[in-house]
Amino acid sequence: AQSVTQLDSHVSVSEGTPVLLRCNYSSSYSPSLFWYVQHPNKGLQLLLKYTSAATLVKGINGFEAEFKKSETSFHLTKPSAHMSDAAEYFCVVMYSGGGADGLTFGKGTHLIIQP
Amino acid sequence: GAGVSQSPRYKVAKRGQDVALRCDPISGHVSLFWYQQALGQGPEFLTYFQNEAQLDKSGLPSDRFFAERPEGSVSTLKIQRTQQEDSAVYLCASSDTSGIYNEQFFGPGTRLTVL
Repeated sequence: AQSVTQLDSHVSVSEGTPVLLRCNYSSSYSPSLFWYVQHPNKGLQLLLKYTSAATLVKGINGFEAEFKKSETSFHLTKPSAHMSDAAEYFCVVMYSGGGADGLTFGKGTHLIIQP
Repeated sequence: GAGVSQSPRYKVAKRGQDVALRCDPISGHVSLFWYQQALGQGPEFLTYFQNEAQLDKSGLPSDRFFAERPEGSVSTLKIQRTQQEDSAVYLCASSDTSGIYNEQFFGPGTRLTVL
């Protein structure tokens, strides 16, 4: 079985400072990893995905994530936070086995941006 | 439409009532997914369609939950004899490729409250 752990339920940063949202996974198979963002009253939107190509993945809105197999991590970063980044962020693990166990969302990290 | 739409956006039901939740995927998308998102949690997979075929329903929590996609486009999630624990946001997503490891486009969700 696989699981995903988002280490922080809430992260608060000041506008213009770096953002780090942490995600660790466990999987018996080679995973595909995703980050989704959920703004209030809007649908989940894909930020970026890792599917065994380059370990450093660049996404939309200046976000990027690095896949580290040795640490089983896929942390999301952004050099400089913007007010519009305030939202809920989900780390998602998918593996090739398929089925319900193949789609696992983390519990989410609420990102708060202080002016 | 440009994205996935869901209706109704909000539904209040008395315990024991039946409800039907509708999802209109992006036109031409082969794959359609339903998720359940409880308050403060990440989405949990319910079921998956490829065209009109329901390929995976292992995430449905009980036999009171039923989903269909008879013509391979619009899908309906039906919950019979609703219980308070069914209260959640129900998310629909679609993908233009088969399989569960590709980018999914999410609708805004239907918030179901069972009294």
